[in-house]
Amino acid sequence: DTGVSQDPRHKITKRGQNVTFRCDPISEHNRLYWYRQTLGQGPEFLTYFQNEAQLEKSRLLSDRFSAERPKGSFSTLEIQRTEQGDSAMYLCASSFSTGNQPQHFGDGTRLSIL
Amino acid sequence: EDQVTQSPEALRLQEGESSSLNCSYTVSGLRGLFWYRQDPGKGPEFLFTLYSAGEEKEKERLKATLTKKESFLHITAPKPEDSATYLCAVPHGGSQGNLIFGKGTKLSVKP
Repeated sequence: DTGVSQDPRHKITKRGQNVTFRCDPISEHNRLYWYRQTLGQGPEFLTYFQNEAQLEKSRLLSDRFSAERPKGSFSTLEIQRTEQGDSAMYLCASSFSTGNQPQHFGDGTRLSIL
Repeated sequence: EDQVTQSPEALRLQEGESSSLNCSYTVSGLRGLFWYRQDPGKGPEFLFTLYSAGEEKEKERLKATLTKKESFLHITAPKPEDSATYLCAVPHGGSQGNLIFGKGTKLSVKP
C-alpha cells in the first residue's frame, strides 16, 4: 500500500518565479486536500477536491494560487509570482469521502523563496 | 469562530515518565477529533479519530480520550522514539473537508 506521494520534496526558487507541485493520493481515495504549514504552526487548509471537482477554497488561497485535479487522480498546486511569504511546507492529504474519514498526509514539498 | 488550542506548547519528559497532552476545541457540531504525530521534515501521521464524548482509543503507549470541550492524549511510560510533535484537528463546522489544526505539542523524551 503506497501512501500519499509529493514531488518535489524541496524547491528553492527566486522571488517572482512560478512553481508547481504534484501530489499523488492513495489510489482508493476520492478526496484530495492541500494544506500549508509554517514553522511552529499546525497545517492550514488551502483547498480540497472530491474527484475532479474543487469543492472548497480557503481565503488563504490568493489569486496567485491555483490547484487542479484534472482526472480525479493526481493534483497540482501552482503558485505564480512567488513572494517571500510563500515560503512554507505544502502538504497534500487524501481520504475517502464517506463520513468523517481521517486524512492521510504526504511528506510535503518544502518551498524556499530566495 | 471554530478554534483548536493545544497545551503545553512543549513538554520534556524522562523515559518512563507518564504525562498528558491537552487539546481544547470550539466548533459548531463536532464531527470527529483527530490526533496526528509529526516528525521533523515529515507530514502528519494519523493516530486516532474520536467521535463522541466518553470515547477512548489506545495504541501502544498512547491513549486518547474525548469530552465535550477537550481531548487528552495520555502517554504511558514514554520512550525516546515517542519524541515528536503531536497535533490535534477538528473538521470546520461548515465544511466537509477543512480540518482546523492546533499548533501542536512538541514532546521530547530523554533516555
